[in-house]
Amino acid sequence: DIQLTQSPSFLSASVGDRVTITCRASQGINTDLAWYQQKPGKAPELLLFAASTLQRGVPSRFSGSGSGTEFTLTITSLQPEDFATFYCQQVNSFPPTFGPGTTVDV
Amino acid sequence: QVQLQESGPGLVKPSETLSLTCTISGGSVRSYNWVWIRQSPGKRLECLGFAYDIDNTNFSPSLKSRVSTSVDESANQFSLKLTSVTAADTALYFCARIKGTTGTTRFDYWGQGTPVTVSS
Repeated sequence: DIQLTQSPSFLSASVGDRVTITCRASQGINTDLAWYQQKPGKAPELLLFAASTLQRGVPSRFSGSGSGTEFTLTITSLQPEDFATFYCQQVNSFPPTFGPGTTVDV
Repeated sequence: QVQLQESGPGLVKPSETLSLTCTISGGSVRSYNWVWIRQSPGKRLECLGFAYDIDNTNFSPSLKSRVSTSVDESANQFSLKLTSVTAADTALYFCARIKGTTGTTRFDYWGQGTPVTVSS
């Protein structure tokens, strides 16, 4: 299986901050990467796919970049509703695998 | 608007078989591909079993001998069976819709999740 790591594991931030989360793959996955946001007690919600394509309805303050083995998720101006755990997912190789998550908290 | 709703027993005894069902509304089970995912406390999200084009299934290699999935077109449901469960199978189980093709695959709709505890 392709392994994903995320950094940092935990991020303390404030409303209005620019936040960047990194996801690294154990081997090249082109741009076959998605990002999800999960709030406590809820299912993950899709934010971006194909590394940089914003899912319909997701605010434009979320953006993604990268290819190969290194990817980033950026939130340009953190809003109160953005405090959550974020996961990357590779869909290049079966089975799809997820990163361990990055929790963004106050 | 597609909605997914998982249902299951909540509590399963060790060595027994876990059966979960995902009921789909707002769309046809025939039209998309589907996946079961679980999230154990303190552990990352893990894909378990997939259904493609109704008739084709695939499973995580680590669980392949214990997992099966099926699609019931008449009930618009996608189901999971996990045999010989242990405490390690205690988790929150989600079903999700798979959208896209090579390079654009994503899980765009998820159920709310159903908790499963394995205990005697």
